[in-house]
Amino acid sequence: GAGVSQSPSNKVTEKGKDVELRCDPISGHTALYWYRQRLGQGLEFLIYFQGNSAPDKSGLPSDRFSAERTGESVSTLTIQRTQQEDSAVYLCASSYGTGATYNEQFFGPGTRLTVL
Amino acid sequence: RKEVEQDPGPFNVPEGATVAFNCTYSNSASQSFFWYRQDCRKEPKLLMSVYSSGNEDGRFTAQLNRASQYISLLIRDSKLSDSATYLCVVNKPSKNYGQNFVFGPGTRLSVLP
Repeated sequence: GAGVSQSPSNKVTEKGKDVELRCDPISGHTALYWYRQRLGQGLEFLIYFQGNSAPDKSGLPSDRFSAERTGESVSTLTIQRTQQEDSAVYLCASSYGTGATYNEQFFGPGTRLTVL
Repeated sequence: RKEVEQDPGPFNVPEGATVAFNCTYSNSASQSFFWYRQDCRKEPKLLMSVYSSGNEDGRFTAQLNRASQYISLLIRDSKLSDSATYLCVVNKPSKNYGQNFVFGPGTRLSVLP
């Protein structure tokens, strides 16, 4: 079946512009995660959606970052007034649920964002 | 103390060697543990879950030590294709948000011919 998809795969933007990144999770997965990975660094948690519960936004680095999710489907991550330090790969992952048996996260291929 | 810590490596080992990675975590309430593998410029993929009693999958063995709050991954008979970064992942229980996950910084392994 289809995995997690993300678009665009690459995005080059100018400093100060807004960007919107999209994630399509695996159908039926109630949990969705956004991570940021800078070159040569580990994954940095950004935000987590679980069903209709309030999202965990504790990882968003500033108020320029926001994310939405429509029900249990598509999510968009928006970065306003981009800065050069926002350059990274943005990874989306989904999982079936939060029970111990279903915690495996499936990752999308990521969006590589370059801010000039 | 960081939530999940790993030796970044790199571990450079010859083909056929046995190599072990450790990972420590700080949240004693964590209940789910995983090892993910990330190839260069690719997304992470699940290698194996880590069960309380320890588990084995072919050449890979994972162990959990709750008392000392660490997990380990042992790779036997290393192959060139095992070269990757190995990420330790621990759940972060939250009363308000269900479960979230913390990824360690990863340990880089290079298997040399």
